[in-house]
Amino acid sequence: DAKTTQPPSMDCAEGRAANLPCNHSTISGNEYVYWYRQIHSQGPQYIIHGLKNNETNEMASLIITEDRKSSTLILPHATLRDTAVYYCIVRASNDYKLSFGAGTTVTVRA
Amino acid sequence: KAGVTQTPRYLIKTRGQQVTLSCSPISGHRSVSWYQQTPGQGLQFLFEYFSETQRNKGNFPGRFSGRQFSNSRSEMNVSTLELGDSALYLCASSRQDGLQETQYFGPGTRLLVL
Repeated sequence: DAKTTQPPSMDCAEGRAANLPCNHSTISGNEYVYWYRQIHSQGPQYIIHGLKNNETNEMASLIITEDRKSSTLILPHATLRDTAVYYCIVRASNDYKLSFGAGTTVTVRA
Repeated sequence: KAGVTQTPRYLIKTRGQQVTLSCSPISGHRSVSWYQQTPGQGLQFLFEYFSETQRNKGNFPGRFSGRQFSNSRSEMNVSTLELGDSALYLCASSRQDGLQETQYFGPGTRLLVL
C-alpha cells in the first residue's frame, strides 16, 4: 500500500550530486515524506523527513514541491558508500508503521 | 548513544521449530516495531509495542507473536516455522512521546528455515 512512485534504479558518479525523485501525488495534508536507505543486508537507515519546507541535514537535502506532489532527495557529494536502495515513504502523523515500496537502487560508480 | 541492537544476527532452524528474536531499543525509546523483509514481499509490518502493550498488528498469522518488557526491550516469537518464514527480521524503535516519531532500525536478524 505504498503511496509513492520511484524509479527502479539510477547510477551516479562518485563525487557528483545524486538527485533521487519521488512522486506522491495523493499525499494528504498531514502526511510527511520520509527517506530511508538500506545498504545490502543491513537495516534501513533514516535519512531525512519533511512536511512542506525543504530540509537539510548532515546526510542529505530534501526538496518538496510547493504542491507537495513530489520531492527530491539530494545527496550532495555521492560516495561509493552511498550505494544502496533508497526508499521514499509517505506517512501520516498518526501512522504507526512505515509502508515501504520497492525503492530506487542507487549505484555510485567511481 | 547506542543504536538498536538485535540478537542473534543469524539463525538457522528447521521446519516446525520455534524461534525467539530479541531487540533492544535506543535508550529512552518506548516504542518497538517489528518488520519482516523477504525478496518477494519486501518490508512488511508485523506489530508494534508500546509500554508493554501491543498497539498495532500487521497481517500475519498467529504464529507470529511478540512482547515487550518494562525496560522496553522486545522479543518476537515465531512458532511452527515454515520455509516461507526465512527472512530478515527488523526491529525499529522510536520515542513515541509525540506525533510523527522517527523510527530507527536495528541491523536485523537473518533467519533461515530449512
